[in-house]
Amino acid sequence: DTAVSQTPKYLVTQMGNDKSIKCEQNLGHDTMYWYKQDSKKFLKIMFSYNNKELIINETVPNRFSPKSPDKAHLNLHINSLELGDSAVYFCASSASGGHTGELFFGEGSRLTVL
Amino acid sequence: AQSVSQHNHHVILSEAASLELGCNYSYGGTVNLFWYVQYPGQHLQLLLKYFSGDPLVKGIKGFEAEFIKSKFSFNLRKPSVQWSDTAEYFCAVSSTNAGKSTFGDGTTLTVKP
Repeated sequence: DTAVSQTPKYLVTQMGNDKSIKCEQNLGHDTMYWYKQDSKKFLKIMFSYNNKELIINETVPNRFSPKSPDKAHLNLHINSLELGDSAVYFCASSASGGHTGELFFGEGSRLTVL
Repeated sequence: AQSVSQHNHHVILSEAASLELGCNYSYGGTVNLFWYVQYPGQHLQLLLKYFSGDPLVKGIKGFEAEFIKSKFSFNLRKPSVQWSDTAEYFCAVSSTNAGKSTFGDGTTLTVKP
C-alpha cells in the first residue's frame, strides 16, 4: 500500500495549457503539502492544508490553485502553464497539524512544459 | 523566519570513506530537525530526526546526526559510505510556530565504487 500517492507521475504539456495533479494519503494525517523541486533539486514549500483549510501559501502565483476536498486528498491545479513551471511536484503529509514536522512524501509528479 | 544552510553542495567520496555533511539552521525557538534522503529518481525518505533528548540520534542505514544547540547545527555522519548511499541529502527544520518544514538546498553525495 502506497502511503502517499500522486497521479500522474509524468506530465508533458504545452505552454498555456491547464493541468491538475492529484494526491491522496492513507496515513490518517490531517495536514498535507505541495512542494516544488526545481532542476537544481531545491525543494520549496508551496501550500499546506490542515483539515481542508489552507494554512500556508508561500508566494505562489495565483495560476496555482490547491483544493482539498477532504483531509486525505490535496489536488493541485495549474492554469496557463509556463516554461518555468517545469519541475517535480511532491505531495507530502504529516500528523498532528504539522507540529512534529515529520513529512511523508509521495513519489513526485514530473511536469514538463514545452 | 527559519532557514537552513547546507555547506556542501556536492560531495564525492570513495567507498568506505567517512562522511560528514554540514547543516546549520537559523531560528530562535524550539525546533525539530530532520535529514531526508532522495535516491536517484525517487521521493524523499526520512533518514533520521531529532525532537528532544539525546542530541546524538541514529537513523537508518548506519547514519547518525548530532544536534549541537550552541552551534545551531545538525550534521549528518556515516563512518563508512557505500556506493548505494549515492543520493541527494536534505536537512530540514520545523517548528511549532511556523507549522511547516524548511529545507536546505541539498547536498549531492556521489560514492565511487
